[in-house]
Amino acid sequence: NAGVTQTPKFQVLKTGQSMTLQCAQDMNHEYMSWYRQDPGMGLRLIHYSVGAGITDQGEVPNGYNVSRSTTEDFPLRLLSAAPSQTSVYFCASRFSWGKSEKLFFGSGTQLSVL
Amino acid sequence: SQQGEEDPQALSIQEGENATMNCSYKTSINNLQWYRQNSGRGLVHLILIRSNEREKHSGRLRVTLDTSKKSSSLLITASRAADTASYFCATDAGGQNFVFGPGTRLSVLP
Repeated sequence: NAGVTQTPKFQVLKTGQSMTLQCAQDMNHEYMSWYRQDPGMGLRLIHYSVGAGITDQGEVPNGYNVSRSTTEDFPLRLLSAAPSQTSVYFCASRFSWGKSEKLFFGSGTQLSVL
Repeated sequence: SQQGEEDPQALSIQEGENATMNCSYKTSINNLQWYRQNSGRGLVHLILIRSNEREKHSGRLRVTLDTSKKSSSLLITASRAADTASYFCATDAGGQNFVFGPGTRLSVLP
């Protein structure tokens, strides 16, 4: 059982370039989300999705796009990379059953924008 | 704005000692969760405590919740070097999402 898989693990971009961070989960979770982690600031929510075809903005959505065409995949697109987007990005899916609830995280993508 | 704030920001203890981390939050919650993050890895869920619970245990972990003070604490007993990690609280305020605090960095020295 792979859980949540993120690719790539590392990426260096030049200002203005675009790219897509991939996220896939094999647990049939309806809810998926993208966070960015910056030193001293914890995780901040970028975008989330409660099911295929449904996406919504989180706390810091500017400069990012998402789509959810299938339950399994939730890619994050950087439209025109900026140095302020240098960060570690995490994808997560949520398990909810009765009183049990938890997020499963991918291993992260470390992005540097020069 | 962040819902949860962990305290202290960093904690260094000797192996075998207990480690206590605190989390304060601002609004009413449905539940509060604690996660651990090893260096360079994703977060891993440790424990969930609901708003109507005051204390939960899981192995060497003990979590308390005081809704009147809007605070929670995570106690790790008999710490080991392998407990070295960052620990985050996350709150569920009834919306779709969890809100994470900035974390406590725990170092357990052998």
